[in-house]
Amino acid sequence: QLQLQESGPGLVKPSETLSLTCTVSGGSISVGSYYWGWIRQPPGKGLEWIASMFYSASTYYNPSLKSRVTMSVDPSTNQFSLKLSSVTAADTAVYSCVHGDGSFYSPFYFDFWGQGTLVTVSS
Amino acid sequence: QSVLTQPPSVSAAPGQKVTISCSGSSSNIGNNYVSWYQHLPGTAPKLLIYDNNKRPSGIPDRFSGSKSGTSATLGITGLQTGDEADYYCGTWDSSLSAYVFGTGTKVTVL
Repeated sequence: QLQLQESGPGLVKPSETLSLTCTVSGGSISVGSYYWGWIRQPPGKGLEWIASMFYSASTYYNPSLKSRVTMSVDPSTNQFSLKLSSVTAADTAVYSCVHGDGSFYSPFYFDFWGQGTLVTVSS
Repeated sequence: QSVLTQPPSVSAAPGQKVTISCSGSSSNIGNNYVSWYQHLPGTAPKLLIYDNNKRPSGIPDRFSGSKSGTSATLGITGLQTGDEADYYCGTWDSSLSAYVFGTGTKVTVL
């Protein structure tokens, strides 16, 4: 059974960069054609997709965040990461890493989710 | 603001059936697969339905999904107290080049 676990600072100052890592266990991040990505949920609001990477191929970013987001994968540690720059209070949310399936052109669904980690943007 | 619209809430008594609609457009639901997620507070969202109407292993057949045109529907039969949660639809939007989620629906068991 695939398991994902987020890690990173729970508090980030405005204008700084939010950095999170997702550690994958129960499977190899470099095996198979799957999507790895990030989804967030601001307090009291709905789910918002951030980014998905089709391993060794394409990466898709939410257009509303694209200028500030970078996602990368490290197969040597079986981890992938998220960086979101120039954060504001609006970026305060529970951030979850996810595994998904789909085609080369887009993810179709997300079948494994991390527990999520709350990141608060505040000075 | 989400491009997929769901009713804010639905409710029914234990044992009854509820349906949750997800309304979109030709750029998302109309031409892409729909998935549904159950989110209980404090837990990770769970995939209930994928590819419009398929259930992952372990999801009971009380949960069903369908799609027609630019709308999708999640059905829950034999409602249980444990089904109280927020439910989200999701799909790829080809115009936005983004994965989009619905506005979410809170299911209450009366």
